[in-house]
Amino acid sequence: SAVISQKPSRDICQRGTSLTIQCQVDSQVTMMFWYRQQPGQSLTLIATANQGSEATYESGFVIDKFPISRPNLTFSTLTVSNMSPEDSSIYLCSVAPSGAVTGELFFGEGSRLTVL
Amino acid sequence: AQTVTQSQPEMSVQEAETVTLSCTYDTSESNYYLFWYKQPPSRQMILVIRQEAYKQQNATENRFSVNFQKAAKSFSLKISDSQLGDTAMYFCAFILASGTYKYIFGTGTRLKVLA
Repeated sequence: SAVISQKPSRDICQRGTSLTIQCQVDSQVTMMFWYRQQPGQSLTLIATANQGSEATYESGFVIDKFPISRPNLTFSTLTVSNMSPEDSSIYLCSVAPSGAVTGELFFGEGSRLTVL
Repeated sequence: AQTVTQSQPEMSVQEAETVTLSCTYDTSESNYYLFWYKQPPSRQMILVIRQEAYKQQNATENRFSVNFQKAAKSFSLKISDSQLGDTAMYFCAFILASGTYKYIFGTGTRLKVLA
C-alpha cells in the first residue's frame, strides 16, 4: 500500500495566478499520476509524472498550463498556471506501488481549488 | 476508444439492505481489468473490488460482490448489509491489461445509506 499526502487540501485563488500542489508518498513508487475531478464529473488523467524526465501529458493538457516536477520517487508537484474559473476543480495525486494488486491505484485526498 | 458509463447519478438504500450499482463499458479489447472505487466524503478514493476480464468467476470482497457479464459488457456492484460507512461516491473504472495504467472512469454514483 501507499500513504499519500497532498498540500494544500484546498485553496481559493485569484484569476491569473498560479498554484503549486505537492504530493508526498511514504514509499518509493515508480508510477505517479495527476488527475482532475471537475464538479459533478469523472476523473480525468492530466499526466503521468516521470522521475527525472518530462511528464507525459494526455490529450487536452499541456506543459505550459500544468507543469509537473518529479525530482525523486516519493515526491511530485503539479502547478496550475494562469488560472481561470474553469480550473476550479479537485486535483488528485495517485500512485501505483510495486507489489500492489495489479492495476490498483492509491489516491491522495485531493486539492480542491476554487478560482475567483 | 474505451468508455465507461454509470447511469445512476444518485442512489439511496436503507441500512442493512442490499443495493446494486450499475456500470457498463465498451471496448474492443479482450484483456482488461475492471474496478470499483469508493470515494467517501473525505475524498480519498480507495479500491473496493477488482475483476480480471479473463476470469469468469465474479469477484467478492466481504459484503461487496460484482456481477460481471463480459458479453454484455456489464459490471455491477452489489453491496449487501449496507452500512452507514458505505455512504460515498462509487466509481466504476477500466484499464487495459497492458500495464499502461490509463484508467477510464465512469461519472460516478453517489450512494447514501439511510439509518
